[in-house]
Amino acid sequence: DVVLTQSPLSLPVTLGQPASISCTSNQSLLYSDGSTYLNWFQQRPGQSPRRLIYKVSNREPGVPGRFSGISGSGTDFTLKISRVEAEDVGVYYCMQGVHWPPTFGGGTKVEIK
Amino acid sequence: QVQLVQSGAEVKKPGASVKVSCKASGYSFSRYGISWVRQAPGQGLEWMGWTSAYSGNANYAQKFQDRVTMTTDTSTSTVYMEMRSLRSDDTAVYFCARVPVSWDLSSDYWGQGTLVTVSS
Repeated sequence: DVVLTQSPLSLPVTLGQPASISCTSNQSLLYSDGSTYLNWFQQRPGQSPRRLIYKVSNREPGVPGRFSGISGSGTDFTLKISRVEAEDVGVYYCMQGVHWPPTFGGGTKVEIK
Repeated sequence: QVQLVQSGAEVKKPGASVKVSCKASGYSFSRYGISWVRQAPGQGLEWMGWTSAYSGNANYAQKFQDRVTMTTDTSTSTVYMEMRSLRSDDTAVYFCARVPVSWDLSSDYWGQGTLVTVSS
């Protein structure tokens, strides 16, 4: 199975400051169509997961522009929040669905300092 | 608007079965798949399997292969997930989620979740 390793486990952030979450895959997530399929999900307390980013860097409709996804080497991915707001508190997961079985990272808990 | 509405919470005894429903609306049901993901209390997300609403075929993660069946009723746009031989460690919130494309089993819309509690 593809292993997605997220860091840090916990991320205390000051309101208005940037935040960065890392996700490293032990296999390439490049598909035969030339796209890399890495997704980011946000799960606020008591809510269902919500997909923020698909194919590394594409924001879902309605996702604020302060969220961005970038790729480093093809197996290293980062979710950036340019200025953290109170509503961003929750757990963030990376996820791949292109290799069987689909797998999630362990999650990163974002909290306000 | 796309909606996935799941059935209500369940309490089951060890060894029993549970069947959770997921009713879809707001989109062309047969053009998408539905996956199931569970989350044990205080834990992360675990992908269980998915079914194509178009073909009715289902595929399961190996861990769930022997105990889970996912079925589709296209007449009511509803997908069901049945789990048998329940154990205490099956206690979790079970989510259904829409799968837009078959080569990337990620999901764009999610149901509200169904809490299944397994306890004697």
